[in-house]
Amino acid sequence: DAGVTQSPTHLIKTRGQQVTLRCSPKSGHDTVSWYQQALGQGPQFIFQYYEEEERQRGNFPDRFSGHQFPNYSSELNVNALLLGDSALYLCASSLAIEDLYSYNEQFFGPGTRLTVL
Amino acid sequence: SQQGEEDPQALSIQEGENATMNCSYKTSINNLQWYRQNSGRGLVHLILIRSNEREKHSGRLRVTLDTSKKSSSLLITASRAADTASYFCATDGREDGSEKLVFGKGTKLTVNP
Repeated sequence: DAGVTQSPTHLIKTRGQQVTLRCSPKSGHDTVSWYQQALGQGPQFIFQYYEEEERQRGNFPDRFSGHQFPNYSSELNVNALLLGDSALYLCASSLAIEDLYSYNEQFFGPGTRLTVL
Repeated sequence: SQQGEEDPQALSIQEGENATMNCSYKTSINNLQWYRQNSGRGLVHLILIRSNEREKHSGRLRVTLDTSKKSSSLLITASRAADTASYFCATDGREDGSEKLVFGKGTKLTVNP
């Protein structure tokens, strides 16, 4: 089992450009969450995908969008890049929870380091 | 929104000593978890404690949870140089059934050989 994989590892873009980051979940997982981690900060929740739909969204502008494919892999797209979008982008996969109080562990990938110049 | 806040922000100890990190949060939770991150890489799940538990052990890790004070602590005993990393607490919400994790800013632990 390869665990959660992300590509690319590093990416350099300039302001105004668009970027697509990719994530393959751990085998058997159906839910993918994306987090942004700025330098020296904790990860911030961007959104979560389940059954190819965005199920939950954090406090991020519409420039951040995503997609989940039938094989559960996911993409994060960021349009009109700003300098402040420079961060480590983490993908986490899990199994969908069954009820309000159950929990399935989220497994994180190694991240994509995005630098916006 | 709820947020875990760890303290101290940075901690430097000698190998063999114990390291204690604290976390406070704001709203009701289902679970609280601790994660470890090496040098800006991916997060590794260490331990999860449920809201109805008070203490949990895993190897050299001991986690406590006080829901009345909305706080948790992570104790690493007999620390090793390899424990050098950033440690984050993360909560998941109960009030909205949220699955998203809310992380604090982390404690940067340095264990000197």
